[in-house]
Amino acid sequence: QLVLTQSPSASASLGASVKVTCTLSSGHSSYAIVWHQQQPEKGPRYLMKLNSDGSHSKGDGIPDRFSGSSSGAERYLTISGLQSEDEADYYCQTWGTGTLVFGGGTKLTVL
Amino acid sequence: EVQLVESGGGLVQPGRSLRLSCAASGFTFDDYAMYWVRQAPGKGLEWVSGISWNSGSISYADSVKGRFTISRDNAKNSLYLQMNSLRPEDTAFYYCAKEGDWGQGALVTVSS
Repeated sequence: QLVLTQSPSASASLGASVKVTCTLSSGHSSYAIVWHQQQPEKGPRYLMKLNSDGSHSKGDGIPDRFSGSSSGAERYLTISGLQSEDEADYYCQTWGTGTLVFGGGTKLTVL
Repeated sequence: EVQLVESGGGLVQPGRSLRLSCAASGFTFDDYAMYWVRQAPGKGLEWVSGISWNSGSISYADSVKGRFTISRDNAKNSLYLQMNSLRPEDTAFYYCAKEGDWGQGALVTVSS
C-alpha cells in the first residue's frame, strides 16, 4: 500500500536551516513526490516536484532557499535562511493509481 | 496567471446535497487532469476525487464513493463536484487543484 510518512512537527531558529522528511512506503522508493506549503489560515501552495534522483522543479515564485533532495525512499525539503513566514504546515504528496496520496503533514515552527 | 476559483460552498443539513464549482483560467484547461481535495477543521489534506482531461478516467476516495460525482465541462473551463447524502464528517474546506496550482477553497459545513 502506498503511504507517505511525515514527522508531525519540526522546529528551527530564525535564519537557520531545516530539513523536512517524507518517507515512501516499501516498494515505492522510485516515486516522485510534490511538496506543498500551507501557511496558517491559508490554502495550500505548490512548492516543488521532487524526483527520486533528487532533481526538482519549483513552482513560480518559490524562493531559492527552498530546495529538495532524495535518498532511497526518503524525500527531503530543505529550507535555508528560515524566515517567520516559513512557519507553516508542509505536506508531501504522490500519485497512486488514479489517486493522490498525501502525507500527514509536518508543522514547522520557526523559533 | 493561473486562477482556480471555487464556489457553491455553504451550510447544509445532513442527508442533503450541494454542488461545488471551480472556474479555471490562465491555462489550457483541457490539457490537465483535475482534482478535488478537502481539509477538515484542524486536519490534514485528503484527496477526494480526480478526473482526467477528457473525463475518460474518474476516481473517488472510498469515503465519498457512491455519494459524490466529479465532472468537468472543458468548453466552460469548469470543474464540478456534486455531493449527495452529505454527512457531518464531510464538513471541510474543499479545494480544486491541478498539478502546480490550488484554488482558495470553499467551506462546506454539514450540520443540523
